[in-house]
Parts: sequence; C-alpha cells; structure tokens
Amino acid sequence: NAGVTQTPKFQVLKTGQSMTLQCAQDMNHEYMSWYRQDPGMGLRLIHYSVGAGITDQGEVPNGYNVSRSTTEDFPLRLLSAAPSQTSVYFCASSQGYTAYNEQFFGPGTRLTVL
Amino acid sequence: EDKVVQSPLSLVVHEGDTVTLNCSYEVTNFRSLLWYKQEKKAPTFLFMLTSSGIEKKSGRLSSILDKKELFSILNITATQTGDSAVYLCAVSQGGSEKLVFGKGTKLTVNP
Repeated sequence: NAGVTQTPKFQVLKTGQSMTLQCAQDMNHEYMSWYRQDPGMGLRLIHYSVGAGITDQGEVPNGYNVSRSTTEDFPLRLLSAAPSQTSVYFCASSQGYTAYNEQFFGPGTRLTVL
Repeated sequence: EDKVVQSPLSLVVHEGDTVTLNCSYEVTNFRSLLWYKQEKKAPTFLFMLTSSGIEKKSGRLSSILDKKELFSILNITATQTGDSAVYLCAVSQGGSEKLVFGKGTKLTVNP
C-alpha cells in the first residue's frame, strides 16, 4: 500500500493564481482531511470529509475549496492564492467516518505564495 | 472556544534525562486524545487515549489521560537524540468530527 500520497511536494505561486493540491489514499478510509501547518501553530484543520460526496469546513476554510467524488481522492483547491496561504499542507485519512482514530498523514506539500 | 494547550512549548535536555510533556484541553463532546511525533516531515502516530487512568506504553514512551482534570501527559524515559522532534497532542470531538491540535512541544535532546 502506498498509504496517503500528496502532489506536488513543492509549489511556488504568484498572488492571485489558482491551483489544486492532490491527495489520494489506498486504504479505503472514509474520513479524509486537510491541515495547514505554520511555524509555531501546530496543525489547523481546513476541510474534512466523512465520505464520498460529503465535506465540511474546519477551523480555517476561507480561500480553500474541496470536493470528494471518490473514496480515494480529496483534492484541495486554492481559488486565488494569497501570501497568507504560504504554509505546509498535510492531507490525512483514517478508518471509519470520524476523526476518532489514528490519522495517517501524507508527506506534505510546501507552498510558497509570492 | 475549543482549545488544546501544550506545555512547555520547547524543551532542551541531555541524553538519558526523563521528560514529561503536558497537554490540557477544553473541548465539547470529547471522544479521544491522540499523541503524534513530528520530525521534519509528516506526523507519525504514537498513542490514542480514550479512558482515564489507563497507561499506554511503547518502549520508553508512555502516556496517560485524566478526563476529570482534562489533561494528558507523555513521558519519555532515558531520552535519546532520536527523540528530538515536535510532539503534537490532538483531541477529537464527537458530533463535529473535527480534530483539534495543540501547538506542539519541541523537544531537543543533546548528546
């Protein structure tokens, strides 16, 4: 099993550009989520999904969109990038429909917005 | 407002020391508390705690939860340089299915 994969590993954007961060898992997990990690801030939840077709907002959802058309994939879209979105982004998944269990994290995407 | 507070924020020790990391929380509808270790990459799972007073152990690491006083501790005995990392505490909430993380404790173990 590949576990949770994320692409790209690194990305540089200009202010106002849009892009999609990809996340996929091959563990048949229903629960998937996106976090951003800034220095000294721990992990903050952006959006999460408890199954295909179901998404909800986390702590810091503004400026991001998600969709979940399949169990395996959970892409994160930046609509109009801003320097405040410079961060490391982690995708995670877990068994079941909740955040109750161990989360498996992808390797992360380091995003810089100029 | 739901929050998870970790202390200390950073800690420097010598190899062989024993350390205790703290995590206190105020969340509605608590379900579980999880500890993760993060070294310059993705967090890796250490423990999940759901019941008070039951210690979880893995080698030199152990953790316990107190649901009455709303905190957990992570102990590391006989520390090694490989224990240097950021240790994250997270709490899951029933109903909203969100995971709330603390800011982490950065542990540095010097030889």
